[in-house]
This record gives sequence, structure tokens and C-alpha cells, in this order.
Amino acid sequence: EAGVAQSPRYKIIEKRQSVAFWCNPISGHATLYWYQQILGQGPKLLIQFQNNGVVDDSQLPKDRFSAERLKGVDSTLKIQPAKLEDSAVYLCASSPREDRMNTEAFFGQGTRLTVV
Amino acid sequence: AQSVTQLDSQVPVFEEAPVELRCNYSSSVSVYLFWYVQYPNQGLQLLLKYLSGSTLVKGINGFEAEFNKSQTSFHLRKPSVHISDTAEYFCAVTEINDYKLSFGAGTTVTVRA
Repeated sequence: EAGVAQSPRYKIIEKRQSVAFWCNPISGHATLYWYQQILGQGPKLLIQFQNNGVVDDSQLPKDRFSAERLKGVDSTLKIQPAKLEDSAVYLCASSPREDRMNTEAFFGQGTRLTVV
Repeated sequence: AQSVTQLDSQVPVFEEAPVELRCNYSSSVSVYLFWYVQYPNQGLQLLLKYLSGSTLVKGINGFEAEFNKSQTSFHLRKPSVHISDTAEYFCAVTEINDYKLSFGAGTTVTVRA
């Protein structure tokens, strides 16, 4: 079974530029998460999709961050314009979530963003 | 809303010694609990999970954790560590009707020969 795929692995941009990250979840997984992991901290949930609908985006800075999940499969996360404090690893995860007992989330390797 | 506190930010340990990583959670409802491991430059990998049933949960790589509802804890243990266990470990919680997965700040384990 293929895992969660993310690209790019690394990105360096200047502040005020825009950037986009891509995630392809495990086939058939209904739930998709985007997390932000700042160095030395635990992952923080940015947005959670169930199929192509948003379940939780309460911690997404909507003035600069946006995310979409077209057709309930792939997802993109965009930052425009980027700030220095956006430097972090952006993790995508997916989960079947059809069965309440099947709650494991599978993570991609992440995209390391450096804003200079 | 749920929250997770990992009580130790760094744990140095000698090879073949035991290790315990402490995790406490806060929630007003029933929860599911997880431990994830993150090796350098890799994504998060599930070590073990508690959903229901026996409070002692065994995971991969010889790790186990015990759920203690009265103390709201889910401590992770391994009786004998290897150099390859050097990594960051995250405790996570989700409320059973929420599915939002919240993480602690992480514990860095460094195993020395």
C-alpha cells in the first residue's frame, strides 16, 4: 500500500512570496489533515477535510492560508503572502475514518518550508 | 477541547537501559490515545494506540503504554532501548466523537552507547 505522498520536500522562499504544497493521501482515505510543525513543537492542526468538505479549520490563519481538496482526493495548501514565522514543516496525514474504531492517521514525510 | 502535556522535553538514556516517557491528557469526554515516533527527516509513524479494552497496550519495536483513566495518563515505556530508538516521540489524543487529533510538544530521546 502506497503511503501519503507530499511534495515538494523542501522549499525556500522570501517573505511576502507565495507557496503551495501538494498532498496525495492513501487511496480510499476519507479524512485528510494538514498540520504545521514548528521546530521544537508538536504538530498543530491547520485544517481537516472529510471527503471534500472542511470539518475543522479553526486554527488556519485564513488571511494568508488556504486549502482545498478537489474531488475528495488530492489536496493543496497555499500560503500567500508568507511571513518569517511560517517557517515550519507542513505535514499531511490521512485516515480511513469510516469506522470509529479505525482512528489511526498516516503521515507523509512533510514539506520543510524556510521563509527568509 | 482536549489537550496533551508531555512532561519531559528531553530524555537521555544509555543503550539497553529502560526508558519511560510521560504523557498526561485533559478532556471532559472519553478519548483515544496514541504514541507516534518521528525519526530524523521522516514523517510520523504510529507506535501504538489505545482505543478501548485492556489498559496495557503493546506496540511496535518493543514499546508499550499504560492507560490510566484516574490519573489521565498514557505513559510510554521500553524495558531496553537501542541506539536506533533515538528519535522524537509524540503523544496524541482524540475525543471519540470529534476525530480531531491533538499532539503534545514531543519528547526527544537520545540513546547513548
